[in-house]
Amino acid sequence: AAGVIQSPRHLIKEKRETATLKCYPIPRHDTVYWYQQGPGQDPQFLISFYEKMQSDKGSIPDRFSAQQFSDYHSELNMSSLELGDSALYFCASSQRGQTNEQYFGPGTRLTVT
Amino acid sequence: AQSVAQPEDQVNVAEGNPLTVKCTYSVSGNPYLFWYVQYPNRGLQFLLKYITGDNLVKGSYGFEAEFNKSQTSFHLKKPSALVSDSALYFCAVRATGTYKYIFGTGTRLKVLA
Repeated sequence: AAGVIQSPRHLIKEKRETATLKCYPIPRHDTVYWYQQGPGQDPQFLISFYEKMQSDKGSIPDRFSAQQFSDYHSELNMSSLELGDSALYFCASSQRGQTNEQYFGPGTRLTVT
Repeated sequence: AQSVAQPEDQVNVAEGNPLTVKCTYSVSGNPYLFWYVQYPNRGLQFLLKYITGDNLVKGSYGFEAEFNKSQTSFHLKKPSALVSDSALYFCAVRATGTYKYIFGTGTRLKVLA
């Protein structure tokens, strides 16, 4: 079965640079979620989109922005990167509905040096 | 505030023995509860969920979880542990009125041969 695809899988950036993470949801999933997982931490919700509109917002820094496109893929744009942004970034997708589980991608490991 | 607690950072169990990974929650309204497993450098994999109905929920890989409303708990269980069950387990609750997950801090399960 098709899964959530994230690219790139690994990314190394320097401080103050920008990064763009991409997420391709499971076909027919209309909702995309972004999470950040620091080393040894639980995933923290950043932001989500439903039908290309932002639906929930969590602890996403102002330096980050995201959007969902007409083909339902999503991009997380991160600017003015800081060392503390080094983390695993997960995208998840689901069909709309509070009872529906989210399916997670393999993650993008971002290292800021 | 809505939250999830996993009181044990690590659980050790001998192969073949039953295992329990604990989770308690605090939400307003009806809780939608989920368990995920994370293997090293991998995304989170959905195991099972409780939405309504039978308090004992069966999921993937022989796991099950028992919902206890009076104790606000949703403990993950398996009758006979396998070494391959060794991983990081996250309990999550869907926040009332939103679609995002709130995760517990995770419990590392180590099954000893």
